[in-house]
Amino acid sequence: AQSVTQLDSHVSVSEGTPVLLRCNYSSSYSPSLFWYVQHPNKGLQLLLKYTSAATLVKGINGFEAEFKKSETSFHLTKPSAHMSDAAEYFCVVSGSARQLTFGSGTQLTVLP
Amino acid sequence: EAGVTQFPSHSVIEKGQTVTLRCDPISGHDNLYWYRRVMGKEIKFLLHFVKESKQDESGMPNNRFLAERTGGTYSTLKVQPAELEDSGVYFCASSRYAGTGKNGELFFGEGSRLTVL
Repeated sequence: AQSVTQLDSHVSVSEGTPVLLRCNYSSSYSPSLFWYVQHPNKGLQLLLKYTSAATLVKGINGFEAEFKKSETSFHLTKPSAHMSDAAEYFCVVSGSARQLTFGSGTQLTVLP
Repeated sequence: EAGVTQFPSHSVIEKGQTVTLRCDPISGHDNLYWYRRVMGKEIKFLLHFVKESKQDESGMPNNRFLAERTGGTYSTLKVQPAELEDSGVYFCASSRYAGTGKNGELFFGEGSRLTVL
């Protein structure tokens, strides 16, 4: 069994300040972990993924995430938020089954 | 290259009616998935096709839902009869490879929003 917990349903940051979106996972297997983003009226877009290679994963648009097995975490960060980053972000885990298990989502608001 | 396309983008129907959602995957992608997000809940897996065969339909909620993928190209998801709790956003995704390993990536469509009144 696998599960994902996104610790914040809403995060607000000012433009130019760092972004931290928190995710904890639970998996019986060595998991693959992902972050997806959904902008309004758009599909889900893959930001980055971890598949047992380097623990620090770099994604698109300046985002990165660090896999920490001891903490069962996969937090998403970005050094400097941009207005275009405002969207909903999903932490996702995939285990032995070929299904994705989604977190409940974090709505990111970027204030001018 | 066209992405995953879904139709309709939004459908409003009354309880008891039938709705059919369509998904056109990326050309050459044998794997096609349906997910849905009901109001206030997580996005949940419904089923997975490999070509025209149902690989995994463990997420289908009940027998009011019927998914098909004749010919292994586009897929349809029919809800008959629709109930209020079926309201939500239905996402389709496709991938060239099954699984989510090093080369695995699911490409999602924009979703079909279903409102049942």
